[in-house]
Amino acid sequence: TAGITQAPTSQILAAGRSMTLRCTQDMRHNAMYWYRQDLGLGLRLIHYSNTAGTTGKGEVPDGYSVSRANTDDFPLTLASAVPSQTSVYFCASSWGGNTEAFFGQGTRLTVV
Amino acid sequence: RKEVEQDPGPFNVPEGATVAFNCTYSNSASQSFFWYRQDCRKEPKLLMSVYSSGNEDGRFTAQLNRASQYISLLIRDSKLSDSATYLCVVPPMNYGGSQGNLIFGKGTKLSVKP
Repeated sequence: TAGITQAPTSQILAAGRSMTLRCTQDMRHNAMYWYRQDLGLGLRLIHYSNTAGTTGKGEVPDGYSVSRANTDDFPLTLASAVPSQTSVYFCASSWGGNTEAFFGQGTRLTVV
Repeated sequence: RKEVEQDPGPFNVPEGATVAFNCTYSNSASQSFFWYRQDCRKEPKLLMSVYSSGNEDGRFTAQLNRASQYISLLIRDSKLSDSATYLCVVPPMNYGGSQGNLIFGKGTKLSVKP
């Protein structure tokens, strides 16, 4: 089934360790996004990419980095995890502009 | 005014009831809007798009009031399966430029009881 896939589904990570959350879409969407969702705070944008080769910072980018080497992949890296990065992470993609976004199933990350 | 604002609820309604949610937005230049549905521990999924004055899909009606800068979602004949969180979404004004993100409200929680 076409769509957007995230991996892993869940992860427990020791503080100070690094980790890359993977995101792949097969819809050839131009734009991709990473959100984190925390109780009471809603979805907050971490980083985005309007097109392959470009990235931008969202509302809460500190402690995270992204790359967009091609259209399909948009990995999110935590260089040195901290407990405040415990969250559910959603990757999304869209054609950009005034178009709807499609979400991956999410990655539940716990930093201990 | 915050960019997108929703009443968090929860809205607790009996089966068969009609319920309406409002969402206010600050960017008067926004051209299109979306309602997403999110089930517990799941990803948000598109419910409806609103490109002009409104949209209707079965029991669901979305309306746009540009003068007052709000959109609403009306659910008629509520079902148990409608229990979820409903997110209001406003695209950015300067898409294609430095901004590329959809703006999500924090969501309104609906609980439909038997």
